[in-house]
Amino acid sequence: AQTVTQSQPEMSVQEAETVTLSCTYDTSESDYYLFWYKQPPSRQMILVIRQEAYKQQNATENRFSVNFQKAAKSFSLKISDSQLGDAAMYFCAYRGSQGNLIFGKGTKLSVKP
Amino acid sequence: DAGVIQSPRHEVTEMGQEVTLRCKPISGHNSLFWYRQTMMRGLELLIYFNNNVPIDDSGMPEDRFSAKMPNASFSTLKIQPSEPRDSAVYFCASRLMDRGLLLFGPGTRLTVL
Repeated sequence: AQTVTQSQPEMSVQEAETVTLSCTYDTSESDYYLFWYKQPPSRQMILVIRQEAYKQQNATENRFSVNFQKAAKSFSLKISDSQLGDAAMYFCAYRGSQGNLIFGKGTKLSVKP
Repeated sequence: DAGVIQSPRHEVTEMGQEVTLRCKPISGHNSLFWYRQTMMRGLELLIYFNNNVPIDDSGMPEDRFSAKMPNASFSTLKIQPSEPRDSAVYFCASRLMDRGLLLFGPGTRLTVL
């Protein structure tokens, strides 16, 4: 069975600085998708970024980028120029052939002004 | 599009009562998912449907939980009888099958007293 591990329950970053959230996963599949979701206090789940496993190029969405290391089964999220509105829970998720999303336990990100 | 719609947004009930949560997926999406989120267990997949057919209900905790999708635009998650340990936020999400992005509703916060 696939698993997703986020080893950092909480992280903190200074406004305008850069922070990296870690995620590792375990799978025997070769074709899959990886996602980062953001959940602010409103609890809405917001898709931040996604990566297809067959693509070697790391996905980027404005200030958000990933470091996808397929061999190491690592999928970290980098947030550049952190803003107060980035404060939220961040969930890493895996989607394989079965079609459902498997989530990590989440990382709570605080942004200090 | 209004996005995934869930109702009610909040539900407070007493132990033993029947609870019905409702979801309207995004028009045109043919896969629908029910997730439960708690502090202890994080985000757990309860069940998901493809083209109104339940594909995987292995996450449904026990027989007290049931889910239906009578048509492409409506799904329900029912708990009968409810118990305090069912207190959680229940999310509905939908996507186009296969390679679509999974988009979440705002969630229903359920409290069972």
